[in-house]
Amino acid sequence: EAGVAQSPRYKIIEKRQSVAFWCNPISGHATLYWYQQILGQGPKLLIQFQNNGVVDDSQLPKDRFSAERLKGVDSTLKIQPAKLEDSAVYLCASSPREVSFLFYNEQFFGPGTRLTVL
Amino acid sequence: GENVEQHPSTLSVQEGDSAVIKCTYSDSASNYFPWYKQELGKGPQLIIDIRSNVGEKKDQRIAVTLNKTAKHFSLHITETQPEDSAVYFCAASTNAGGTSYGKLTFGQGTILTVHP
Repeated sequence: EAGVAQSPRYKIIEKRQSVAFWCNPISGHATLYWYQQILGQGPKLLIQFQNNGVVDDSQLPKDRFSAERLKGVDSTLKIQPAKLEDSAVYLCASSPREVSFLFYNEQFFGPGTRLTVL
Repeated sequence: GENVEQHPSTLSVQEGDSAVIKCTYSDSASNYFPWYKQELGKGPQLIIDIRSNVGEKKDQRIAVTLNKTAKHFSLHITETQPEDSAVYFCAASTNAGGTSYGKLTFGQGTILTVHP
């Protein structure tokens, strides 16, 4: 079974530029997550999709970050314009089932995209 | 919201020794506690998890314990090997309900170094 795919793996941009990250979850997985991992910290959830709908974007800085998951499969995360503090690894994860009180939803992570904002 | 504290931030052991990493959580509604291992340049990988209806779980050299009353859980690695060297993260989640929607809240991470 192929894992979660992310691209690009590395990106260097100047502040105020725009950048986009792509994620392809494990085939058939209903739930998709984007996390931000700042150096030396644990991942922090930015947005969670269930199929193609958003279920939690409470920690997404909506003035500059946007995300979409068209057709309930792959997803893109965009930053526009980027700030120095956006330098981090952006991780995508997916879970096989929809969130439910019946199930514990194991999350499978991709390798991440390391963003450096100069 | 949930807050997860993890200690120690760094841990250095000799090959063959045991390693213990501890986490505390704040939300009594949390009922799912996974542990992730992250190697350099890779995403976190689930190594073991425990549900709130279980006090302990073992998988070969790895074990996790949970104390719901005290709101803390621990990872135990026995007979450590150099390949166990990595960053370990604990996390807490509710599987449903309210605004959590299965969201994972991670600890700050522990850098484990196993010396040959």
